[in-house]
Amino acid sequence: SQELEQSPQSLIVQEGKNLTINCTSSKTLYGLYWYKQKYGEGLIFLMMLQKGGEEKSHEKITAKLDEKKQQSSLHITASQPSHAGIYLCGADKVAGGGADGLTFGKGTHLIIQP
Amino acid sequence: GAVVSQHPSWVICKSGTSVKIECRSLDFQATTMFWYRQFPKQSLMLMATSNEGSKATYEQGVEKDKFLINHASLTLSTLTVTSAHPEDSSFYICSARDRWTSDEQFFGPGTRLTVL
Repeated sequence: SQELEQSPQSLIVQEGKNLTINCTSSKTLYGLYWYKQKYGEGLIFLMMLQKGGEEKSHEKITAKLDEKKQQSSLHITASQPSHAGIYLCGADKVAGGGADGLTFGKGTHLIIQP
Repeated sequence: GAVVSQHPSWVICKSGTSVKIECRSLDFQATTMFWYRQFPKQSLMLMATSNEGSKATYEQGVEKDKFLINHASLTLSTLTVTSAHPEDSSFYICSARDRWTSDEQFFGPGTRLTVL
């Protein structure tokens, strides 16, 4: 079965600094999703990547999927307190996985220090 | 964006009782919904796939008779935890894919179950 490794597990960053979270798969990624979760709450969709080399940005968050489609990174520029939370990467279990659930990494707990 | 709701948001029950959790897609139709479980400080684990009009598909290790899933309509799936025990205490989250645009999974806000 596919496993997703996220690093780091936790991250403390001073407000205004940039940061990167990584997600590595043991198998080729067919669809890679990034979500943000406040502890004990639901997931907020950030971005989805499908093609090798794809890069998407929304506000101060940029996500990339490498050419081999086995690693993705999430980069936050000029971090703000509102960015604090748990970031989860998830992947389709199979190719064209519209009918399948997602496999998730263990998450990266991000804390922003004022 | 599309909205998925869950009810209740939290529930406390006695050991041995059954609890039903509802997952609704509010502004789209979902032929497929998913149920996940999340233990404290752990990631989400897929429990089962709920298919409208047919039987649910369970992940390995998930007891079908304990976690009953019904997907009676294109906007509603229910998860019933039967004869709940303290080890079933967890955060249960559902998600749904729009039947017409299945790229994104929309997640509900979750239901926190505590079994005493």
